[in-house]
Amino acid sequence: EAEVAQSPRYKITEKSQAVAFWCDPISGHATLYWYRQILGQGPELLVQFQDESVVDDSQLPKDRFSAERLKGVDSTLKIQPAELGDSAMYLCASSTTTSGGTQYFGPGTRLLVL
Amino acid sequence: RKEVEQDPGPFNVPEGATVAFNCTYSNSASQSFFWYRQDCRKEPKLLMSVYSSGNEDGRFTAQLNRASQYISLLIRDSKLSDSATYLCVVTLNTGGFKTIFGAGTRLFVKA
Repeated sequence: EAEVAQSPRYKITEKSQAVAFWCDPISGHATLYWYRQILGQGPELLVQFQDESVVDDSQLPKDRFSAERLKGVDSTLKIQPAELGDSAMYLCASSTTTSGGTQYFGPGTRLLVL
Repeated sequence: RKEVEQDPGPFNVPEGATVAFNCTYSNSASQSFFWYRQDCRKEPKLLMSVYSSGNEDGRFTAQLNRASQYISLLIRDSKLSDSATYLCVVTLNTGGFKTIFGAGTRLFVKA
């Protein structure tokens, strides 16, 4: 069964450092999502791509976060500089459509900022 | 008010019990509805979509009430393996499609 791949699985960094997360969606899935999940809460959408274009980044803290999906396949989410409050699980998901179809999640990257 | 609100948990039930979760949404532009399941320290996985006519998958039944803007999930004959967090998910159509997750309801099924 095809899966969404993410790396690294765990990342520990110090505040003010830069971190980057990578996601490879299921082959053929045009829509890619990055979510942040804080313990005890549901995932919060950070950015949504349709192919290589951003369709929603309204919740992305653009002063420190950036995301790209240059060839419309894999994607990178970057935080620079990291802050203590960025400690969370970062989940990537993909789907075949943007219109509310099933999203398939990767295992996530757990970030701890010290 | 949050756009998607779920029953506060946790729910602690014995094996074999029937348990129901409710979820309310505030935006009438909501178009698609889902229940996802998330095990501890794992990623969310789709449990079932929710249709206006209601739908059933084995021991799980989902209902949608558009007039009252709520969604429910019923689990019959609970198993130990049902212990997880259940996330209510709504997709809005506001020119583009936006997915919103509820905070989740934690279920513990005990022997």
